[in-house]
Amino acid sequence: SQQGEEDPQALSIQEGENATMNCSYKTSINNLQWYRQNSGRGLVHLILIRSNEREKHSGRLRVTLDTSKKSSSLLITASRAADTASYFCATDATAGNKLTFGGGTRVLVKP
Amino acid sequence: GAGVSQSPSNKVTEKGKDVELRCDPISGHTALYWYRQSLGQGLEFLIYFQGNSAPDKSGLPSDRFSAERTGGSVSTLTIQRTQQEDSAVYLCASRLVGRGHTEAFFGQGTRLTVV
Repeated sequence: SQQGEEDPQALSIQEGENATMNCSYKTSINNLQWYRQNSGRGLVHLILIRSNEREKHSGRLRVTLDTSKKSSSLLITASRAADTASYFCATDATAGNKLTFGGGTRVLVKP
Repeated sequence: GAGVSQSPSNKVTEKGKDVELRCDPISGHTALYWYRQSLGQGLEFLIYFQGNSAPDKSGLPSDRFSAERTGGSVSTLTIQRTQQEDSAVYLCASRLVGRGHTEAFFGQGTRLTVV
C-alpha cells in the first residue's frame, strides 16, 4: 500500500515558471522526504522536513508540512528543463522507520 | 563502495523460473529496503530490514517472494516461479537509522522482464 499520494499526477510547465506538487499521507510520521527520479531508475534525495517543522528551503526548493492536515507541498521555483523528472514524497513512519512512497508527480519543463 | 549497488542491472527470465536479485548497501547503513516499480507507477514497498530485528515483510505480494539479509549487509530478493506480472524495476535503498532523521540512498535498480 502507498502511504503518500501525490497531486497532480503530471505537470507540464514552461521554463522559468514555478512547479508545485502536493502530497497527502495517512499515519503519524517522524519526517517527510522528497525524492527525484530520472528515467525510471534510482531515486535521489532532495529535501527532508521533520514533523515539528513547517517550512524548509534548499536552493530553488521549498517544502511545507502541515501535520494537522497530513499534507506537504514541494515548490520548485524558476524551473529549468533539467528539472524534468518524477518527484516522490516519502513518509518516515513514527513506528518502525518504514519509508513509504507515493505514486509520484511527473514534471515536464518545456524549454 | 560509494553507493548502493544492485545486480544484475537487467534480467530477462522465462515464466516459471526463479530469479535472485542482489543489493549491496552502503557500508554501515542499518536499514535496507526493497521496492518494486512498474512502468510509470510509484514505488511499492516490499520488505524492510533494520539491524537485527525481524524484517517487515508486509509488502511482499505473495509467498513466491522472499528476501534475506546476511550479516547485516548484502541482501538478496528471490522470486520463485516468476510470472509476467512480476515484470518491473526492483529498487533497493539503504540508510542509517537511529541517529536522527536520515535520507535513503537508492541503487539503480534491476529491471526484471518475465517472458
